[in-house]
Amino acid sequence: DAKTTQPNSMESNEEEPVHLPCNHSTISGTDYIHWYRQLPSQGPEYVIHGLTSNVNNRMASLAIAEDRKSSTLILHRATLRDAAVYYCIRNSDDKIIFGKGTRLHILP
Amino acid sequence: ETGVTQSPTHLIKTRGQQVTLRCSSQSGHNTVSWYQQALGQGPQFIFQYYREEENGRGNFPPRFSGLQFPNYSSELNVNALELDDSALYLCASSPPGLTGELFFGEGSRLTVL
Repeated sequence: DAKTTQPNSMESNEEEPVHLPCNHSTISGTDYIHWYRQLPSQGPEYVIHGLTSNVNNRMASLAIAEDRKSSTLILHRATLRDAAVYYCIRNSDDKIIFGKGTRLHILP
Repeated sequence: ETGVTQSPTHLIKTRGQQVTLRCSSQSGHNTVSWYQQALGQGPQFIFQYYREEENGRGNFPPRFSGLQFPNYSSELNVNALELDDSALYLCASSPPGLTGELFFGEGSRLTVL
């Protein structure tokens, strides 16, 4: 049981920011929030993870709600290469359990 | 630095047969996880190995078994293959410490006829 909820699909225009939401209302205090993405015909790829504070790396930013019941992955400037399925994951007991993810379509 | 490699990339088996899939973890990584991904679905966690011991298992029957070797490479064995076992099998390795970052291979696509 992935215990996260994400929209099935989203669309965004190229070169615009994308905000991918995730609900994890039953998250415990020690569960990390991870994001992975999977491009067509490839294995999943790590994007970012965090616990309480917002996180930034070269790929994306992760905004975590103060109550930790939701989070948002932010791609600051989407490109066609960002079209993928994005998975939001609660890391419980050091196990990465995937849900169904959000399929992100980028429009040129 | 060599990434996670899996073999074979594709294979076809028939119902009732047995299959062994192999995974070489990334250098320095001591944890290996296996996932099954059916077409159009997210990866399903099969099990995880840490220092040659299974330390977590998903909802898969005992005919799915694994091994991890002293060099941290790993095998996934599936006995008595069923049609529903047709899927992409993904291996992921992770380094020591609770970084939470998994490094995935490209997968082995198994077709059961």
